[in-house]
Amino acid sequence: EDQVTQSPEALRLQEGESSSLNCSYTVSGLRGLFWYRQDPGKGPEFLFTLYSAGEEKEKERLKATLTKKESFLHITAPKPEDSATYLCAVLVSTSGSRLTFGEGTQLTVNP
Amino acid sequence: GAVVSQHPSWVICKSGTSVKIECRSLDFQATTMFWYRQFPKQSLMLMATSNEGSKATYEQGVEKDKFLINHASLTLSTLTVTSAHPEDSSFYICSSLSGGNQPQHFGDGTRLSIL
Repeated sequence: EDQVTQSPEALRLQEGESSSLNCSYTVSGLRGLFWYRQDPGKGPEFLFTLYSAGEEKEKERLKATLTKKESFLHITAPKPEDSATYLCAVLVSTSGSRLTFGEGTQLTVNP
Repeated sequence: GAVVSQHPSWVICKSGTSVKIECRSLDFQATTMFWYRQFPKQSLMLMATSNEGSKATYEQGVEKDKFLINHASLTLSTLTVTSAHPEDSSFYICSSLSGGNQPQHFGDGTRLSIL
């Protein structure tokens, strides 16, 4: 069975304190790994897609990386507006177009 | 700007009422649209997958007759919660997919409260 595990469940940072969120996966035939940001009362907002091990994507203070068993979302010098729940999801070859989501990491950045 | 428009964003109604939620793909023709349910502090739970012009595929445990899905065009899918009861209160989110290994894009969700 495909599994996606995110850690930590919650993370509190001071503004400017860099850190990383982890998404570990055990799947058969990874077709893509997606990172989303979700604010309270809103739908997930797409951030990155990673397709193969070694791939990296960057956007402002965020950088996503992928290995054969996990992905990291690195946050450099975060600001309070980066506070949100970050979700990772995988697309696998045996599940058609359905995504398997992790439980998310709730990030709080204090000023 | 928004890629997927979901309406309404919030609805309160009495028990026994049927509620329709619309999901529109604005920037592209969606081969597939998805409906999710999300409980507080939890991740998204897929309810059903719909393809334009065909019947929706429901996940195990999701009642087809309770949650009616219509995907009449490549840009519009609707979810109707029939004879809603308090236990149907939740946050419902739709998403659209253009195809292949592309990311799903999500609407802003609908907060449904049944009194």
